[in-house]
Amino acid sequence: EIQLQESGPGLVKPSQSLSLTCSVTGYTITSGYDWSWIRKFPGNKMEWMGYISYSGSTNYNPSLKSRISITRDTSKNQFFLQLNSVTTEDTATYYCARFPAWWGQGVMVTVSS
Amino acid sequence: DIVLTQAPLSVSVTPGESASISCRSSKSLLSSKGITSLYWYLQRPGKSPQLLIYQMSNLASGVPDRFSSSGSETDFTLKISKVETEDVGVYYCGHRLEYPFTFGSGTKLEIK
Repeated sequence: EIQLQESGPGLVKPSQSLSLTCSVTGYTITSGYDWSWIRKFPGNKMEWMGYISYSGSTNYNPSLKSRISITRDTSKNQFFLQLNSVTTEDTATYYCARFPAWWGQGVMVTVSS
Repeated sequence: DIVLTQAPLSVSVTPGESASISCRSSKSLLSSKGITSLYWYLQRPGKSPQLLIYQMSNLASGVPDRFSSSGSETDFTLKISKVETEDVGVYYCGHRLEYPFTFGSGTKLEIK
């Protein structure tokens, strides 16, 4: 069974970069599908951030396009999120997913000085 | 972006009774392939979202048949029959018709 696990710092300072890793087991990320990052803000708002496809192409939410980068390390079966110039508005729980059916457990990231 | 509007914001249900949640799209979710790209998720407290329904009316693997969904191109309804305590959480609709994918604002289901 496929499993996804996010990891990364839980606290980031404003103006710095947020970097998260998604480790995938049970499926090889180059075999198929898109590999997404999704975040849930305090309250209930959910936002799809973007994905990297099995072939390595990317697609980002235009609301984030200038700040986001999704990359991968196929040798480790991992993909990554980098979000630059963060503000307190980026405080959220971040999920990696083989959208829509398989999700990681999520990692809470707080942006605060 | 496609806007998905959910109602109600919250619903309180007695175990054994039914609950319905509405999702309205600002644009038709019917694709050129004839697939309606509407999905339903449940996020239980402290858990990650779980896919309940895909392509408007198909039950995801392992989801009990107490859950059902129907609709048109822009108006959709999730129905939960014989609500159980494990159904507590926030329900979201979402689409995958075009980029960016978007979600509704969520409906919180509580047990009376």
